[in-house]
Amino acid sequence: QQPVQSPQAVILREGEDAVINCSSSKALYSVHWYRQKHGEAPVFLMILLKGGEQKGHEKISASFNEKKQQSSLYLTASQLSYSGTYFCGTGNSGNTPLVFGKGTRLSVIA
Amino acid sequence: EAGVTQSPTHLIKTRGQQATLRCSPISGHTSVYWYQQALGLGLQFLLWYDEGEERNRGNFPPRFSGRQFPNYSSELNVNALELEDSALYLCASSLGPQTYFGPGTRLTVT
Repeated sequence: QQPVQSPQAVILREGEDAVINCSSSKALYSVHWYRQKHGEAPVFLMILLKGGEQKGHEKISASFNEKKQQSSLYLTASQLSYSGTYFCGTGNSGNTPLVFGKGTRLSVIA
Repeated sequence: EAGVTQSPTHLIKTRGQQATLRCSPISGHTSVYWYQQALGLGLQFLLWYDEGEERNRGNFPPRFSGRQFPNYSSELNVNALELEDSALYLCASSLGPQTYFGPGTRLTVT
């Protein structure tokens, strides 16, 4: 079951904050966040395992609500380099393939 | 440490031909995944190989096939190419929950 991402697209000015949501209709074991720039491969940002933890990487952090079967990616004080398409991928235990949402296109403008 | 590598970078074929794409996972990674990313679409799971065996396949016709070699590298074959097969084909590898993508092979079918 493909996770649902929202919003589909968002435009920000430098320094503004954004939240990208990822929800699933089935129980989640893990949520993986990637950023893909045009013409490039998706780059791994972070992984969240069930347990409601929150992780952060510089000004990008994420939360995982196991009960609500959703994850949110928080981008704080956005920079031009944050532009790209963000994908969430959901996984089961083990090495089972990730199932990705359709992506959220984020554009940061000066 | 070298990341996931793929070859060729670009491939142009005509309808009805066969295409072969290659992938070398990160050293030590035993699982290899293939994803198709058509223009403007998300990442669609194609095939999963682990320890030389096909573990799972996505909702794609049988003309999409592949294999994994003893050194864990992998090959994706697409027979009887159709115009809608034009896409970026991404290979990924993992040795646990974290999945890393290669740069992709852009296949164009004319």
